[in-house]
Amino acid sequence: NAGVMQNPRHLVRRRGQEARLRCSPMKGHSHVYWYRQLPEEGLKFMVYLQKENIIDESGMPKERFSAEFPKEGPSILRIQQVVRGDSAAYFCASSRRTGGPDEQFFGPGTRLTVL
Amino acid sequence: TQLLEQSPQFLSIQEGENLTVYCNSSSVFSSLQWYRQEPGEGPVLLVTVVTGGEVKKLKRLTFQFGDARKDSSLHITAAQPGDTGLYLCAGGRSGTSYGKLTFGQGTILTVHP
Repeated sequence: NAGVMQNPRHLVRRRGQEARLRCSPMKGHSHVYWYRQLPEEGLKFMVYLQKENIIDESGMPKERFSAEFPKEGPSILRIQQVVRGDSAAYFCASSRRTGGPDEQFFGPGTRLTVL
Repeated sequence: TQLLEQSPQFLSIQEGENLTVYCNSSSVFSSLQWYRQEPGEGPVLLVTVVTGGEVKKLKRLTFQFGDARKDSSLHITAAQPGDTGLYLCAGGRSGTSYGKLTFGQGTILTVHP
């Protein structure tokens, strides 16, 4: 499967725990994006990363949320001390960025439920 | 904040009918993508339009980018039950805003056999 991979597909956490969401981009893609889809809302941009660099984190909440894309391995979205309002579907997308249009390809998402 | 307004929010039609979904903004976008999302899955890219006035066809789907690159439409001819799903438009920008797609709220299409 050459598509964007995300795991886990479903994650249940209790309030106060940490959630780690992983994303492996498509082969040949070096740009990764994270979006959040809340119930009854559209997809909202969170962060844009390249290998070892955060390019744009203007959509990330200021506290408890962090993201990384290390030189080796998947991109990680980390949510510390989760609260019920963090329950949502989190999608990762990747692109090649050749200077052309911003075509992003999405993974299947991680559904986070905070009890 | 650059907003993309999609309409209608819900669309329920019979098999064989035609339909159009609209995506409007007061902002200019350098590109406009249309995605389709099934329940429990991620959005799947259908098409990208980049030039004002551009028209692209994908079988029974026709996509158009407005001349001013502020709006777009998706027209489906002779809809089939397999077309049922959530349709999303997303605007892309260039320069320092590259990578930050702005999504519309989506149109939930239901095609009844």
